[in-house]
Amino acid sequence: AQSVTQPDIHITVSEGASLELRCNYSYGATPYLFWYVQSPGQGLQLLLKYFSGDTLVQGIKGFEAEFKRSQSSFNLRKPSVHWSDAAEYFCATTDSWGKLQFGAGTQVVVTP
Amino acid sequence: GAGVSQSPSNKVTEKGKDVELRCDPISGHTALYWYRQSLGQGLEFLIYFQGNSAPDKSGLPSDRFSAERTGGSVSTLTIQRTQQEDSAVYLCASSFPPGQVVSQANYGYTFGSGTRLTVV
Repeated sequence: AQSVTQPDIHITVSEGASLELRCNYSYGATPYLFWYVQSPGQGLQLLLKYFSGDTLVQGIKGFEAEFKRSQSSFNLRKPSVHWSDAAEYFCATTDSWGKLQFGAGTQVVVTP
Repeated sequence: GAGVSQSPSNKVTEKGKDVELRCDPISGHTALYWYRQSLGQGLEFLIYFQGNSAPDKSGLPSDRFSAERTGGSVSTLTIQRTQQEDSAVYLCASSFPPGQVVSQANYGYTFGSGTRLTVV
């Protein structure tokens, strides 16, 4: 069955530093992959998605992610983090019904 | 509507009471999903609707949980005889179903802000 794994439960990063969040997927065919962000007390917001084609995907808020089939990864990156990026980030994939399967999430803390 | 609307936003109920949570999806989105987010448990799939039918209800944790959808639009999640372990944020999402996806642009899931359920 399709699944994603987020190895890092918690990451602390300084404001202005770069950020990379890891996501590994388990699926035979090309998966549909998503990154969502959830700010405290807020709902889930889609950052970006990948279906096929270009392996580097640009999203909102300056985020990008790269699909690497050889590594079964879809890592999320941002070159320079802002304090407002402190949130929980979820990687997700879908099954044939379109049911989203989420990773456990990575909590990002931004320090001054 | 412009987004997925869920009501109520917060619900406090006594153990043993029944509760109903409502989701109003984006107009035109025939697929609707319910998820639960418990503290320390991540995002848990509950049930999927395509139109008014539910081809996948594998995530409902017990027979106290049920959901329906009418008119291919609004969905109601009902929890009977609530227990403290039911306390969580219940999230609803809607989308075009995979079979209707014609481009990457129109495929995506829009989530509501959720209903925070507290059972005391």
